[in-house]
Amino acid sequence: EAGVVQSPRYKIIEKKQPVAFWCNPISGHNTLYWYRQNLGQGPELLIRYENEEAVDDSQLPKDRFSAERLKGVDSTLKIQPAELGDSAVYLCASSLEGDRFGYTFGSGTRLTVV
Amino acid sequence: AQSVTQLDSQVPVFEEAPVELRCNYSSSVSVYLFWYVQYPNQGLQLLLKYLSGSTLVKGINGFEAEFNKSQTSFHLRKPSVHISDTAEYFCAVSSTGANNLFFGTGTRLTVIP
Repeated sequence: EAGVVQSPRYKIIEKKQPVAFWCNPISGHNTLYWYRQNLGQGPELLIRYENEEAVDDSQLPKDRFSAERLKGVDSTLKIQPAELGDSAVYLCASSLEGDRFGYTFGSGTRLTVV
Repeated sequence: AQSVTQLDSQVPVFEEAPVELRCNYSSSVSVYLFWYVQYPNQGLQLLLKYLSGSTLVKGINGFEAEFNKSQTSFHLRKPSVHISDTAEYFCAVSSTGANNLFFGTGTRLTVIP
């Protein structure tokens, strides 16, 4: 079984440019999470989806970040415009609906804003 | 609200020696506790979890952790470490009514040959 797939693995962009990250969760996993991991820190939740509905986006900086999960499968996280402080690893995770004990994380996308 | 404190940012230990990685949490409600490992350039992998029942939890790769409610701790231990255990270890907490994980800042374990 394929795990959570994220792309790209690495991205380097100039500040003020847009960037997008893609996540394909494990087949059948209704719940999808985006976490941000700053250097030397633990991951912090940005947004959680149940199917196609964003049920917790309280930590998402909505002025520049957006996310979507059309059809309740793949998800895209976008930043526009990117700032230097957005440099981090963006992790996607998925789980079966209601199963908060069975997270599976992807390998992440490492974003560097220069 | 929940929070997690990992007191040691780095722990060097010689191969085949025992190790303990410390984790303390704070929460006003009952919690579930987790330890994750992150190898370089990889995502997080679940080592073990405490949900209920026995306070001693055994996980993968020979790791175990003990839940201590009075001390609000969930320390991770291994009796004999290998070079391959070199990685970043994260303690995480989730309240019984929530779906989100709150992570500590991580402990980098370095096993010295």
